[in-house]
Amino acid sequence: KNEVEQSPQNLTAQEGEFITINCSYSVGISALHWLQQHPGGGIVSLFMLSSGKKKHGRLIATINIQEKHSSLHITASHPRDSAVYICAVMYSGGGADGLTFGKGTHLIIQP
Amino acid sequence: NAGVTQTPKFRVLKTGQSMTLLCAQDMNHEYMYWYRQDPGMGLRLIHYSVGEGTTAKGEVPDGYNVSRLKKQNFLLGLESAAPSQTSVYFCASSYQGWYTEAFFGQGTRLTVV
Repeated sequence: KNEVEQSPQNLTAQEGEFITINCSYSVGISALHWLQQHPGGGIVSLFMLSSGKKKHGRLIATINIQEKHSSLHITASHPRDSAVYICAVMYSGGGADGLTFGKGTHLIIQP
Repeated sequence: NAGVTQTPKFRVLKTGQSMTLLCAQDMNHEYMYWYRQDPGMGLRLIHYSVGEGTTAKGEVPDGYNVSRLKKQNFLLGLESAAPSQTSVYFCASSYQGWYTEAFFGQGTRLTVV
């Protein structure tokens, strides 16, 4: 089964720092999703992208198709950004069920 | 607009008992999914549906059944619960599979003792 690798697994930073979370995958994809999960809470979709870059507020997601790599950046981080961030990819040729999830990056932003 | 609603949010079952988890969405989405989330593992697909009246098996379907009698509802059933089914269950829906944005429910924390 094709893997989705996220790094780091855990990240603790101070409020205001610039945060980068990485996601790498092994073969060609049709789409990549970034999801956010707060402790004990539900899962929220942040971005879906297949090329280039997307921005929403302080969050930026980029993808490099050739290098099979995506990054999620958080600018001016805040304690409310503390959550698990999950990368998930739809591999090319995958059917309706074809989404593979990473194990998540646990982010803690300290005040 | 409620989005995706899961019921119940918490449940404790004894081994061998049965239960049904309900997922309801009000966005007229065609695709609906049931996932389980276990510590140290990524979300794993149990069953999914690409439209009313259709269901298909995912990665970990054993011990579960599903039904999609109405477009807005996707039910997950455990006929005879086992401790290995202790997990957090998430429902998701999307308009056109994972090529479009997906919406998740708040999760159901199930413990089987």
